[in-house]
Amino acid sequence: GAVVSQHPSRVICKSGTSVKIECRSLDFQATTMFWYRQFPKQSLMLMATSNEGSKATYEQGVEKDKFLINHASLTLSTLTVTSAHPEDSSFYICSARASPYPNEKLFFGSGTQLSVL
Amino acid sequence: EDQVTQSPEALRLQEGESSSLNCSYTVSGLRGLFWYRQDPGKGPEFLFTLYSAGEEKEKERLKATLTKKESFLHITAPKPEDSATYLCAVQDTGTYKYIFGTGTRLKVLA
Repeated sequence: GAVVSQHPSRVICKSGTSVKIECRSLDFQATTMFWYRQFPKQSLMLMATSNEGSKATYEQGVEKDKFLINHASLTLSTLTVTSAHPEDSSFYICSARASPYPNEKLFFGSGTQLSVL
Repeated sequence: EDQVTQSPEALRLQEGESSSLNCSYTVSGLRGLFWYRQDPGKGPEFLFTLYSAGEEKEKERLKATLTKKESFLHITAPKPEDSATYLCAVQDTGTYKYIFGTGTRLKVLA
């Protein structure tokens, strides 16, 4: 199946610093990537939809100035958590479709555990 | 409002003890229903896609079925390596968004 690579897998940072998370589709072109946030024992919550070459679409309640998303190429999307605070600590996961058809399955990265001290 | 509810939240089985996980959903129009497996600290791994009521898919010890209101993931003679969280997601025909349930945490004991 299609492979989505996400880095880093774990990051610990001080409050007030920014953290960048990368999501790459290794063997396919992903015109659309999705960023999720997951708290322990909870569901995946969609944060934003990232389209190559255009601005990301954020879900209600997600601060676009705090969670900066860039999708500069068909194989790379990045999520930058700006001025991180302890409440931003969470598991962040990216995903992508390997097909242009909108009802096709998503392939997920391995996730990034962010801990803000 | 689209909604996905999974039950039970957690399930402990003895090795070889078959069981079923439930995913109940409410959507204005179903474009697809997806099952994923998630191991701790990892991203979800795709298992099945179901598109219409009556459809069934199988893979090794897993079998997924779909009705107009729910989907079941049947696990036959599970092994300890089947221990994971199983996630269900639906995609709405109107919004194209994927709505995930909270998952069922399965533990299979040797």
